[in-house]
Amino acid sequence: GAGVSQSPSNKVTEKGKDVELRCDPISGHTALYWYRQSLGQGLEFLIYFQGNSAPDKSGLPSDRFSAERTGGSVSTLTIQRTQQEDSAVYLCASSSGQGYGYTFGSGTRLTVV
Amino acid sequence: TQLLEQSPQFLSIQEGENLTVYCNSSSVFSSLQWYRQEPGEGPVLLVTVVTGGEVKKLKRLTFQFGDARKDSSLHITAAQPGDTGLYLCAGPRRGATNKLIFGTGTLLAVQP
Repeated sequence: GAGVSQSPSNKVTEKGKDVELRCDPISGHTALYWYRQSLGQGLEFLIYFQGNSAPDKSGLPSDRFSAERTGGSVSTLTIQRTQQEDSAVYLCASSSGQGYGYTFGSGTRLTVV
Repeated sequence: TQLLEQSPQFLSIQEGENLTVYCNSSSVFSSLQWYRQEPGEGPVLLVTVVTGGEVKKLKRLTFQFGDARKDSSLHITAAQPGDTGLYLCAGPRRGATNKLIFGTGTLLAVQP
């Protein structure tokens, strides 16, 4: 597509429920990233996919967080048993490779009540 | 640990004023990028600087990369309300250059 698409744009969920966030990157971009942006904080790296390589999961804050990327394209970030501290904007970005800038989606604002 | 500290954290100015935003680190970066993020949107790449001492101009925005490649600045001339947003610098992580470290951000508000 023309840009990175994320859905839903907003999600309100009850504490303890599972949520799935979707990212559709720019066609042909081999790299896909998930970041988290909390109020008053910078962008926190979560996970990185590059082509068919094993993902870099070093930024995932707990085992409640997981992500997959199917067919080298669409990615889903899953948060199980959501907690209030998971409330944040989750940003997805894609890139055509090392040294190139990221193209971000508009994010999913997650609120856990 | 590589950190990118930005200053000021907040800036509120009147239309037509000039301003400078700073991005500093104790670490050397091979390149630095600047992004602008508007409310409800993701960050948008403005520029990449790769050479120490490099200066790049984008209309009223001037970006400079420090000689030692540890710092960068963004200067805006005659700010306009459309410049309002969160400005973020970012650099590749040492040993994992395809992952970016983002700065702490500068929130700019330009009043008409």
